[in-house]
Amino acid sequence: SQQGEEDPQALSIQEGENATMNCSYKTSINNLQWYRQNSGRGLVHLILIRSNEREKHSGRLRVTLDTSKKSSSLLITASRAADTASYFCATDGGFGNEKLTFGTGTRLTIIP
Amino acid sequence: GAVVSQHPSWVICKSGTSVKIECRSLDFQATTMFWYRQFPKQSLMLMATSNEGSKATYEQGVEKDKFLINHASLTLSTLTVTSAHPEDSSFYICSARRDRGYETQYFGPGTRLLVL
Repeated sequence: SQQGEEDPQALSIQEGENATMNCSYKTSINNLQWYRQNSGRGLVHLILIRSNEREKHSGRLRVTLDTSKKSSSLLITASRAADTASYFCATDGGFGNEKLTFGTGTRLTIIP
Repeated sequence: GAVVSQHPSWVICKSGTSVKIECRSLDFQATTMFWYRQFPKQSLMLMATSNEGSKATYEQGVEKDKFLINHASLTLSTLTVTSAHPEDSSFYICSARRDRGYETQYFGPGTRLLVL
Protein backbone atom coordinates (compact mmCIF):
# COMPACT_ATOMS: atom_id res chain seq x y z
CA SER A 1 0.00 0.00 0.00
CA GLN A 2 1.21 3.49 -0.76
CA GLN A 3 -0.89 4.99 1.98
CA GLY A 4 0.93 7.33 4.27
CA GLU A 5 0.80 7.27 8.01
CA GLU A 6 -0.08 9.95 10.44
CA ASP A 7 0.72 10.25 14.06
CA PRO A 8 -0.62 10.49 16.54
CA GLN A 9 -3.75 8.56 15.63
CA ALA A 10 -5.63 10.54 18.23
CA LEU A 11 -4.82 13.74 20.10
CA SER A 12 -6.72 15.51 22.88
CA ILE A 13 -5.66 18.94 24.06
CA GLN A 14 -7.09 21.86 26.00
CA GLU A 15 -8.60 24.74 24.11
CA GLY A 16 -5.99 27.39 23.49
CA GLU A 17 -3.09 24.98 23.25
CA ASN A 18 -1.26 24.18 20.04
CA ALA A 19 -1.83 20.90 18.19
CA THR A 20 0.81 19.23 16.05
CA MET A 21 0.14 16.35 13.70
CA ASN A 22 2.69 14.52 11.62
CA CYS A 23 2.41 12.74 8.30
CA SER A 24 4.86 10.40 6.63
CA TYR A 25 4.64 9.15 3.07
CA LYS A 26 6.41 6.58 0.97
CA THR A 27 6.96 7.80 -2.57
CA SER A 28 8.17 10.96 -4.29
CA ILE A 29 5.54 13.66 -4.38
CA ASN A 30 4.60 16.77 -6.28
CA ASN A 31 2.31 18.29 -3.67
CA LEU A 32 1.15 17.51 -0.18
CA GLN A 33 -2.21 18.70 1.06
CA TRP A 34 -3.94 18.73 4.40
CA TYR A 35 -7.67 18.22 4.77
CA ARG A 36 -10.07 18.37 7.70
CA GLN A 37 -13.07 16.12 8.10
CA ASN A 38 -15.78 16.68 10.65
CA SER A 39 -17.54 13.53 11.81
CA GLY A 40 -19.66 12.03 9.03
CA ARG A 41 -18.94 14.85 6.63
CA GLY A 42 -16.88 15.50 3.53
CA LEU A 43 -13.38 16.91 3.47
CA VAL A 44 -12.42 20.53 3.66
CA HIS A 45 -9.19 21.58 1.98
CA LEU A 46 -6.88 23.40 4.39
CA ILE A 47 -3.56 23.98 2.72
CA LEU A 48 -1.34 22.77 -0.12
CA ILE A 49 2.44 22.73 0.02
CA ARG A 50 4.56 21.98 -3.01
CA SER A 51 7.55 19.70 -2.99
CA ASN A 52 9.92 22.65 -3.42
CA GLU A 53 8.48 24.48 -0.43
CA ARG A 54 9.53 23.92 3.16
CA GLU A 55 6.96 25.87 5.12
CA LYS A 56 3.61 27.48 4.55
CA HIS A 57 1.22 29.46 6.71
CA SER A 58 -2.51 30.05 6.52
CA GLY A 59 -4.13 31.80 9.45
CA ARG A 60 -3.58 29.61 12.51
CA LEU A 61 -2.18 26.80 10.39
CA ARG A 62 1.48 26.15 9.77
CA VAL A 63 2.63 23.32 7.55
CA THR A 64 6.17 22.10 7.10
CA LEU A 65 7.51 19.67 4.54
CA ASP A 66 10.75 17.70 4.66
CA THR A 67 11.10 15.78 1.43
CA SER A 68 14.36 14.17 2.54
CA LYS A 69 12.50 12.52 5.41
CA LYS A 70 9.26 12.16 3.44
CA SER A 71 7.34 13.83 6.20
CA SER A 72 5.12 16.81 6.89
CA SER A 73 3.65 18.39 9.97
CA LEU A 74 0.54 20.44 10.56
CA LEU A 75 0.50 22.85 13.47
CA ILE A 76 -2.73 24.45 14.63
CA THR A 77 -2.07 27.30 17.01
CA ALA A 78 -4.42 28.60 19.69
CA SER A 79 -6.82 25.71 19.18
CA ARG A 80 -10.58 26.16 19.40
CA ALA A 81 -13.38 23.73 20.09
CA ALA A 82 -14.41 24.05 16.44
CA ASP A 83 -11.06 22.54 15.43
CA THR A 84 -12.26 19.17 16.71
CA ALA A 85 -12.15 16.93 13.64
CA SER A 86 -10.04 14.35 11.82
CA TYR A 87 -7.11 15.66 9.85
CA PHE A 88 -5.67 13.90 6.82
CA CYS A 89 -2.63 14.52 4.72
CA ALA A 90 -2.77 13.60 1.04
CA THR A 91 -0.03 13.39 -1.54
CA ASP A 92 0.03 13.31 -5.30
CA GLY A 93 2.77 12.38 -7.71
CA GLY A 94 2.38 15.27 -10.11
CA PHE A 95 1.35 15.48 -13.74
CA GLY A 96 0.37 12.04 -14.96
CA ASN A 97 -0.04 10.73 -11.42
CA GLU A 98 -2.40 13.21 -9.87
CA LYS A 99 -4.59 10.97 -7.80
CA LEU A 100 -4.40 11.63 -4.08
CA THR A 101 -3.12 9.11 -1.59
CA PHE A 102 -4.43 9.80 1.88
CA GLY A 103 -2.75 9.22 5.20
CA THR A 104 -4.41 7.33 8.01
CA GLY A 105 -5.56 10.50 9.75
CA THR A 106 -5.32 12.08 13.18
CA ARG A 107 -8.44 12.47 15.26
CA LEU A 108 -8.12 15.77 17.14
CA THR A 109 -10.30 16.59 20.12
CA ILE A 110 -10.21 20.05 21.65
CA ILE A 111 -11.40 20.09 25.24
CA PRO A 112 -13.22 23.33 26.11
CA GLY B 1 -16.75 29.03 -5.14
CA ALA B 2 -15.76 25.38 -5.77
CA VAL B 3 -18.77 23.70 -4.19
CA VAL B 4 -19.43 20.02 -4.74
CA SER B 5 -22.72 18.41 -3.79
CA GLN B 6 -23.74 14.80 -3.42
CA HIS B 7 -27.16 13.24 -3.49
CA PRO B 8 -28.49 11.50 -1.58
CA SER B 9 -26.72 12.25 1.68
CA TRP B 10 -27.74 8.88 3.03
CA VAL B 11 -29.55 5.83 1.73
CA ILE B 12 -30.78 2.57 3.19
CA CYS B 13 -31.56 -0.24 0.80
CA LYS B 14 -32.23 -3.94 0.74
CA SER B 15 -29.58 -6.41 -0.30
CA GLY B 16 -29.64 -7.02 -4.04
CA THR B 17 -30.88 -3.60 -5.08
CA SER B 18 -28.90 -0.99 -6.96
CA VAL B 19 -28.18 2.47 -5.64
CA LYS B 20 -27.17 5.54 -7.62
CA ILE B 21 -25.19 8.39 -6.06
CA GLU B 22 -24.80 11.72 -7.82
CA CYS B 23 -21.87 14.08 -7.55
CA ARG B 24 -22.22 17.60 -8.90
CA SER B 25 -19.84 20.52 -9.17
CA LEU B 26 -22.15 23.48 -8.60
CA ASP B 27 -20.09 26.48 -9.64
CA PHE B 28 -17.31 25.15 -11.80
CA GLN B 29 -16.73 22.65 -14.56
CA ALA B 30 -14.94 19.53 -13.44
CA THR B 31 -12.98 17.67 -16.06
CA THR B 32 -12.07 15.05 -13.50
CA MET B 33 -14.03 13.59 -10.64
CA PHE B 34 -12.87 11.03 -8.13
CA TRP B 35 -14.82 8.50 -6.08
CA TYR B 36 -13.62 7.42 -2.66
CA ARG B 37 -14.82 4.98 -0.08
CA GLN B 38 -14.33 5.40 3.66
CA PHE B 39 -15.02 2.85 6.36
CA PRO B 40 -15.64 4.03 9.94
CA LYS B 41 -12.60 5.61 11.55
CA GLN B 42 -10.48 4.86 8.52
CA SER B 43 -8.95 6.91 5.77
CA LEU B 44 -10.27 7.51 2.27
CA MET B 45 -9.49 4.91 -0.36
CA LEU B 46 -9.68 5.93 -3.99
CA MET B 47 -12.05 3.74 -5.98
CA ALA B 48 -11.90 5.29 -9.42
CA THR B 49 -11.04 8.36 -11.45
CA SER B 50 -13.66 9.66 -13.81
CA ASN B 51 -12.97 11.94 -16.77
CA GLU B 52 -15.81 13.59 -18.62
CA GLY B 53 -16.76 11.71 -21.75
CA SER B 54 -14.48 8.74 -21.22
CA LYS B 55 -14.45 5.52 -19.26
CA ALA B 56 -13.51 5.62 -15.61
CA THR B 57 -10.18 4.29 -14.43
CA TYR B 58 -10.63 1.91 -11.52
CA GLU B 59 -8.14 1.21 -8.77
CA GLN B 60 -6.85 -2.28 -8.26
CA GLY B 61 -9.35 -4.45 -6.45
CA VAL B 62 -12.39 -2.34 -7.31
CA GLU B 63 -14.92 -4.21 -9.44
CA LYS B 64 -15.94 -2.05 -12.39
CA ASP B 65 -19.08 -4.09 -13.01
CA LYS B 66 -20.21 -3.58 -9.44
CA PHE B 67 -19.39 0.11 -9.16
CA LEU B 68 -20.58 1.73 -12.37
CA ILE B 69 -19.34 5.25 -12.94
CA ASN B 70 -20.73 7.64 -15.52
CA HIS B 71 -19.28 11.13 -16.05
CA ALA B 72 -21.79 12.38 -18.59
CA SER B 73 -21.15 16.09 -18.27
CA LEU B 74 -18.61 18.53 -16.88
CA THR B 75 -20.70 18.99 -13.76
CA LEU B 76 -22.09 15.54 -13.04
CA SER B 77 -20.71 12.13 -12.24
CA THR B 78 -22.72 9.20 -10.95
CA LEU B 79 -21.72 6.09 -9.04
CA THR B 80 -24.09 3.15 -9.16
CA VAL B 81 -23.58 0.35 -6.68
CA THR B 82 -25.16 -2.63 -8.42
CA SER B 83 -26.68 -5.54 -6.51
CA ALA B 84 -25.60 -4.04 -3.23
CA HIS B 85 -24.72 -6.28 -0.30
CA PRO B 86 -24.14 -5.49 3.38
CA GLU B 87 -20.38 -5.38 2.85
CA ASP B 88 -20.92 -2.46 0.46
CA SER B 89 -22.19 -0.38 3.37
CA SER B 90 -19.82 2.54 3.64
CA PHE B 91 -19.36 6.27 3.28
CA TYR B 92 -18.87 7.24 -0.36
CA ILE B 93 -17.26 10.59 -1.11
CA CYS B 94 -16.67 12.24 -4.45
CA SER B 95 -14.30 15.03 -5.32
CA ALA B 96 -13.93 17.23 -8.35
CA ARG B 97 -11.07 19.06 -9.95
CA ARG B 98 -11.28 21.85 -12.50
CA ASP B 99 -8.61 20.65 -14.87
CA ARG B 100 -5.13 19.22 -14.84
CA GLY B 101 -3.66 22.59 -14.04
CA TYR B 102 -5.40 22.71 -10.67
CA GLU B 103 -4.06 20.49 -7.92
CA THR B 104 -6.80 21.00 -5.39
CA GLN B 105 -9.68 18.57 -5.25
CA TYR B 106 -12.95 19.82 -3.82
CA PHE B 107 -14.89 17.23 -1.89
CA GLY B 108 -18.58 16.57 -1.64
CA PRO B 109 -20.26 16.04 1.73
CA GLY B 110 -20.43 12.27 1.23
CA THR B 111 -23.18 9.67 0.99
CA ARG B 112 -23.69 7.12 3.69
CA LEU B 113 -24.95 3.81 2.32
CA LEU B 114 -26.44 1.14 4.54
CA VAL B 115 -27.37 -2.15 2.91
CA LEU B 116 -29.63 -4.38 4.97
